[in-house]
Amino acid sequence: QVQLVESGGGVVQPGTSLRLSCAASGFTFSSHAMHWVRQAPGKGLEWVAVISYDGNNKRYIDSVKGRFTISRDNSKNTLYLQMNSLRGEDTAVYYCARDRGGSYCIDNWGQGTLVTVSS
Amino acid sequence: QSALTQPASVSGSPGQSITISCAGTSSDVGGYNYVSWYQQHPGKAPKLMIYEVSNRPSGVSNRFSGSKSGNTASLTISGLQAEDEADYHCSSYTSSTTWVFGGGTKLTVL
Repeated sequence: QVQLVESGGGVVQPGTSLRLSCAASGFTFSSHAMHWVRQAPGKGLEWVAVISYDGNNKRYIDSVKGRFTISRDNSKNTLYLQMNSLRGEDTAVYYCARDRGGSYCIDNWGQGTLVTVSS
Repeated sequence: QSALTQPASVSGSPGQSITISCAGTSSDVGGYNYVSWYQQHPGKAPKLMIYEVSNRPSGVSNRFSGSKSGNTASLTISGLQAEDEADYHCSSYTSSTTWVFGGGTKLTVL
């Protein structure tokens, strides 16, 4: 079965960096686009970024452009999110998610990793 | 990239039907048949319930149905059950080749 396991979350100070990882298994990772979606405490879901199956195409929500970078290593079945210049409003649970392919939606989610930005 | 608009909460009694709306624009909901709905229980990851406006993934009860009219999509749950109590989130692909979610709706089964 599809498994997505995020890691790398934690408590960091504003202005610092953090890299999230997502280990994928149970499917052909290199065939699927992948997303990062976040959820601030008590709030709704917010789409953050997507990367194509081959890593050649990436898109971001405006609020993270220039600060966050999504990447993937298909040889390691791993998705990454490099987060720089972190702000308080970046505090959230970050979910790694698989794109269904052809339907422009997410069909599998990880359990999430909490990122807290606080001084 | 404004969030889609959902009611903050809806409620219904067991056996009843409820509908949750998701309002967008012609650049997202109205422009594409790529609206999806997710169920999220407290402390859990979201689960895909509807994709491409009205399609159900295998394993999702046929009590869940989706539709769209203009810039507004809707999720209907019929024959409400206690286990349906959860947060529901809509999402749409957009003309900016990004995705946008709604603010989420808390469903209470009375």
